Amino acid sequence: AQSVSQHNHHVILSEAASLELGCNYSYGGTVNLFWYVQYPGQHLQLLLKYFSGDPLVKGIKGFEAEFIKSKFSFNLRKPSVQWSDTAEYFCAVTLGSYIPTFGRGTSLIVHP
Amino acid sequence: GAGVSQSPSNKVTEKGKDVELRCDPISGHTALYWYRQRLGQGLEFLIYFQGNSAPDKSGLPSDRFSAERTGESVSTLTIQRTQQEDSAVYLCASSFNIGSVEQFFGPGTRLTVL
Repeated sequence: AQSVSQHNHHVILSEAASLELGCNYSYGGTVNLFWYVQYPGQHLQLLLKYFSGDPLVKGIKGFEAEFIKSKFSFNLRKPSVQWSDTAEYFCAVTLGSYIPTFGRGTSLIVHP
Repeated sequence: GAGVSQSPSNKVTEKGKDVELRCDPISGHTALYWYRQRLGQGLEFLIYFQGNSAPDKSGLPSDRFSAERTGESVSTLTIQRTQQEDSAVYLCASSFNIGSVEQFFGPGTRLTVL
């Protein structure tokens, strides 16, 4: 069965620090990749997605993610975080069936 | 409506009781999904509907769990004879159709079984 690993469960940063959240998946076939974000008290929402083409994907609020097929990875990055980026981040992968497998999430706290 | 809504937002019940959770998807979305999120865990897929049909029920954790959808709109997830391990946040999502990979999530129902 497909699995998605998010290695950083809790990340604490100061504002302006750079961010990279790891995501690795277990299947080597054709996949669609997503990052979802859940801000405190809000719904889970899509941050960015990769289906095909340029492996460097730009999302909302300055986030980007890079698909590295050889490493089965889809890491999320942001060069300079803000206090408002404090949230829970989930990586998800679909394999053909359109039902995503989610990672367990990474809690990001950004100190002002 | 403007987004996916779920009710109740919180539910506390006693072990052994039945509970019913409701999801109202975005109008026009034919695909609807249920997930469970236990504390510190990722989202666990339970079931999805394409229209009123649920082609894959393999994600339901036990036969105490069932779901239905009527009129390609509202869906209910029923848990019979609740157990403490059922305590979790139950999330509903909808998408335009099953081929639309972007899902729109509701706020969830936090279920606590005492």
